[in-house]
Amino acid sequence: KAGVTQTPRYLIKTRGQQVTLSCSPISGHRSVSWYQQTPGQGLQFLFEYFSETQRNKGNFPGRFSGRQFSNSRSEMNVSTLELGDSALYLCASSLSGGRNGYTFGSGTRLTVV
Amino acid sequence: AQSVTQPDIHITVSEGASLELRCNYSYGATPYLFWYVQSPGQGLQLLLKYFSGDTLVQGIKGFEAEFKRSQSSFNLRKPSVHWSDAAEYFCAVVLGSGGGADGLTFGKGTHLIIQP
Repeated sequence: KAGVTQTPRYLIKTRGQQVTLSCSPISGHRSVSWYQQTPGQGLQFLFEYFSETQRNKGNFPGRFSGRQFSNSRSEMNVSTLELGDSALYLCASSLSGGRNGYTFGSGTRLTVV
Repeated sequence: AQSVTQPDIHITVSEGASLELRCNYSYGATPYLFWYVQSPGQGLQLLLKYFSGDTLVQGIKGFEAEFKRSQSSFNLRKPSVHWSDAAEYFCAVVLGSGGGADGLTFGKGTHLIIQP
């Protein structure tokens, strides 16, 4: 079956702009979580959605937001981009999270210039 | 809050030699533990996971890991490494509530280099 699909793979934006990233989970998976990966901070949890509801959020500013649609697809949005937002953004899907484990997509590489 | 420590930032191993990557976690109860591998520019691939039961867990690509509650460790092992094992390895934990609302907490990763 198809894996987790993230689009786009690469993105270049200018400081101050906003960006929307998309994630399509594995069919049947209702949980989608997002992570930011940078060389300095490593992998950090952004937020998790389950059945269109945000269940938890990591320690990121309000510029980072997300949503989940009824088909479980998810988007994350970053407004007023800063240089430090340059990172690999990874999406992971799971049946319901926790002990079910998480399957990751290949990520979206965001570069802010 | 839970935390994960991978003490080794880089490890160099000769091809064919055995491998052990260390992982320690901090959490009061038994967490759900995972090992993931990441090749350059790629996402994360799950190698194995531990929830309960047998403390020795078998994974893909010939990897195994042993959960030791007394040492709060979940070390990853492979008896004989191949050049294709060169990658970044991450240990991760999620709270053992089963609800899954907390996401994964990752260690900083261990970069594995394979010498010919």
